[in-house]
Amino acid sequence: EIVMTQSPATLSVSPGERATLSCRASQSVSSNLAWYQQKPGQAPRLLIYGASTRATGIPARFSGSGSGTEFTLTISSLQSEDFAVYYCQQYNNWPRGYTFGQGTKLEIK
Amino acid sequence: QVQLQESGPGLVKPSETLSLTCAVSGYSISSGYYWGWIRQPPGKGLEWIGSIYHSGSTYYNPSLKSRVTISVDTSKNQFSLKLSSVTAADTAVYYCARQGILTGYYLDYWGQGTLVTVSS
Repeated sequence: EIVMTQSPATLSVSPGERATLSCRASQSVSSNLAWYQQKPGQAPRLLIYGASTRATGIPARFSGSGSGTEFTLTISSLQSEDFAVYYCQQYNNWPRGYTFGQGTKLEIK
Repeated sequence: QVQLQESGPGLVKPSETLSLTCAVSGYSISSGYYWGWIRQPPGKGLEWIGSIYHSGSTYYNPSLKSRVTISVDTSKNQFSLKLSSVTAADTAVYYCARQGILTGYYLDYWGQGTLVTVSS
């Protein structure tokens, strides 16, 4: 099984600043990685797929990068609505495996 | 706009079978895509349970495979989850979602989720 490890577990950032979230895979997943945002009481929302492609309707301040085993989600200028939990997910070895990271909570500093 | 809606009992007794249905609107399941179930225990992360293709082919998380059955009813445009021999560890919010194919197997549309509690 491919293990996805996100860091940090919690990130405190002030509104207007940049946030950088990391995701590491235990083996290469190529660019087959997605990022999701989840707010309290809501379902996750797809932000990024293919490691760097924004999903429909996602603001340009969200960007994804990386390939292989190291990935980054960057939010360029944090808005109040961006404070949430973020999950990465690999789908490289579908259907033999389909795994999520444990999440990074982005909180207001 | 694709919409998914989970339904089913919110309380299940230990050792019994959890049954949920996901009704899809705005897209015909017969047209393609995978359709999946994901769960999230209270305060914890996301776990993929399994997925079904519109043709009926199924794929399950190995850790749950012995207890999971996912089926599809294209005439009703819905798919279902059965999880047998449940314990308190199966208490979670259960989500259904559409899973892509051509550009990647990510989850692009999600239901709102339904909390299932396992308790006597």
